[in-house]
Amino acid sequence: DQQVKQNSPSLSVQEGRISILNCDYTNSMFDYFLWYKKYPAEGPTFLISISSIKDKNEDGRFTVFLNKSAKHLSLHIVPSQPGDSAVYFCGENRDDKIIFGKGTRLHILP
Amino acid sequence: NAGVMQNPRHLVRRRGQEARLRCSPMKGHSHVYWYRQLPEEGLKFMVYLQKENIIDESGMPKERFSAEFPKEGPSILRIQQVVRGDSAAYFCASSLTAASPINYGYTFGSGTRLTVV
Repeated sequence: DQQVKQNSPSLSVQEGRISILNCDYTNSMFDYFLWYKKYPAEGPTFLISISSIKDKNEDGRFTVFLNKSAKHLSLHIVPSQPGDSAVYFCGENRDDKIIFGKGTRLHILP
Repeated sequence: NAGVMQNPRHLVRRRGQEARLRCSPMKGHSHVYWYRQLPEEGLKFMVYLQKENIIDESGMPKERFSAEFPKEGPSILRIQQVVRGDSAAYFCASSLTAASPINYGYTFGSGTRLTVV
């Protein structure tokens, strides 16, 4: 049972435009969500998180939005840069561990 | 602080052999998590350990897989009698406290890529 779903395996965005990565979840009880970024042959690195008591968190070019009624969150990257090309994992903190989605591969086009 | 260290980076084993993957957490971190990434798949939680204790092994396959985090030394993920389906990238992460810090999450290592031939 996949409790965190990233339904888009890949996404291509023009450099300079906005990238929007989506994540759906099924569990209503959680503390917070996290986004991780992963380059090939490297470990995932933490990007940004959002608490269950908030609906938005911003850090530079990265903003995460949480819609609790729709059980949906999204990561916005603006403007998109070539170095943003990576796989992005949405993760839900539960029971002192993180459950991740399958990831979305983001391609930033020149 | 060298971060989370995993070794080896690459490991090749023949079917039926044992694979041992090592993880040294960040200095001061006593909580270790193992994840597996199969080809074209996401990061699957395997096991959560604290020094000398297994806290949550709900993601571990029932057979052939075991993990430990002794009082001294690195955490070890052991896979006995490996099969081709065990070929994957195995990532270790560590954290300072049980509740993953919201502001910076876990710190992951670079992973061990296991290939079973």
